[in-house]
Amino acid sequence: AQKVTQAQTEISVVEKEDVTLDCVYETRDTTYYLFWYKQPPSGELVFLIRRNSFDEQNEISGRYSWNFQKSTSSFNFTITASQVVDSAVYFCALRVNDKIIFGKGTRLHILP
Amino acid sequence: DTEVTQTPKHLVMGMTNKKSLKCEQHMGHRAMYWYKQKAKKPPELMFVYSYEKLSINESVPSRFSPECPNSSLLNLHLHALQPEDSALYLCASSQYGRESYEQYFGPGTRLTVT
Repeated sequence: AQKVTQAQTEISVVEKEDVTLDCVYETRDTTYYLFWYKQPPSGELVFLIRRNSFDEQNEISGRYSWNFQKSTSSFNFTITASQVVDSAVYFCALRVNDKIIFGKGTRLHILP
Repeated sequence: DTEVTQTPKHLVMGMTNKKSLKCEQHMGHRAMYWYKQKAKKPPELMFVYSYEKLSINESVPSRFSPECPNSSLLNLHLHALQPEDSALYLCASSQYGRESYEQYFGPGTRLTVT
């Protein structure tokens, strides 16, 4: 069975602090894809990154970075020097074949 | 252009009404999706269309009826809904193939059933 766990329900940090959002996944398939999405208060899910199971290379995009470790089945997301505009719900998702399973999301509050 | 549009933005309907939600994309994507999202919950997959054919129905009640008239359009017809069907309905699209591509989401239709 496939499962995505985001243990942090809600996080609050002061602006300019770094923050890491955790994601742990479970699947028996050897081919799978992992995603992070951002959902601001407006409601639209915004795609941030995709990783496939054969590519463990970490990635940095501006203030965002992702750490994918198959050994611990984790795909964590770090925001460096957080900004108020980063306040949103962040979802980690796992896709196997045509089905995508979302974690429960982490609500991130960046305090000015 | 990575835009998926949805209309209407908000919809209030009675339990005996018939209404439709519309979704459109012009990215050439051949897979389209409907999700339902309740407050403070993750999106839940309802339907998947691949090349205009329904490929996944996640045991959704028949009062929800999807339709894909062409590769750019996706509709969700609603009839005899219940108050518990009130939610944000999200449409998404993606490329289709052996690779699992990211989905691009529309802004959603916030549905209230009275």
